[in-house]
Amino acid sequence: DVKVTQSSRYLVKRTGEKVFLECVQDMDHENMFWYRQDPGLGLRLIYFSYDVKMKEKGDIPEGYSVSREKKERFSLILESASTNQTSMYLCASSWQGSYEQYFGPGTRLTVT
Amino acid sequence: AQSVTQLDSQVPVFEEAPVELRCNYSSSVSVYLFWYVQYPNQGLQLLLKYLSGSTLVKGINGFEAEFNKSQTSFHLRKPSVHISDTAEYFCAVSVVGTGNQFYFGTGTSLTVIP
Repeated sequence: DVKVTQSSRYLVKRTGEKVFLECVQDMDHENMFWYRQDPGLGLRLIYFSYDVKMKEKGDIPEGYSVSREKKERFSLILESASTNQTSMYLCASSWQGSYEQYFGPGTRLTVT
Repeated sequence: AQSVTQLDSQVPVFEEAPVELRCNYSSSVSVYLFWYVQYPNQGLQLLLKYLSGSTLVKGINGFEAEFNKSQTSFHLRKPSVHISDTAEYFCAVSVVGTGNQFYFGTGTSLTVIP
């Protein structure tokens, strides 16, 4: 089975802190994605990556950055956390050319 | 960008009754279509997908969906729901030839009433 893991299920941070959310997949997928999920808004794509050291902006990249130094790991970085970044963050991965994305369990981030 | 509309934000239904969750998308070009389910405190799990071929696709847990190109719809159905089907359901679209980027609807919360 494909496994996508996220470093934390719940995280509480203070405004202005630098926050790292980690995602690891064990199926040698080329593609990795970061979404945020908010009630009434569904899932919105923040960033995605098709290869190591490669990144593309999604629909809402402002306030976020990403890093992909190894194929299996995709990190989402909040340079200076703000309260409006309180949300559920979901990581996903897929094979190149496949249209099925596999999701991690999510990290619920609260910024106070 | 694609637009995916799930008209019903909440759907309550009695156990063993049939249910239909509606999904419409905006594209007039070729698309791939998906339904995902999210159980409480979990990530998303693929229910079913339409890539090509028969417009009626069957998924896991007794769910099925029908692709209607003329109406740009991909409604999800189940003839008899169980308590365990209580979850959030998301419709997603990917435009053919544009890579793996998905566009998600806002979700439908299905509550099965005993």
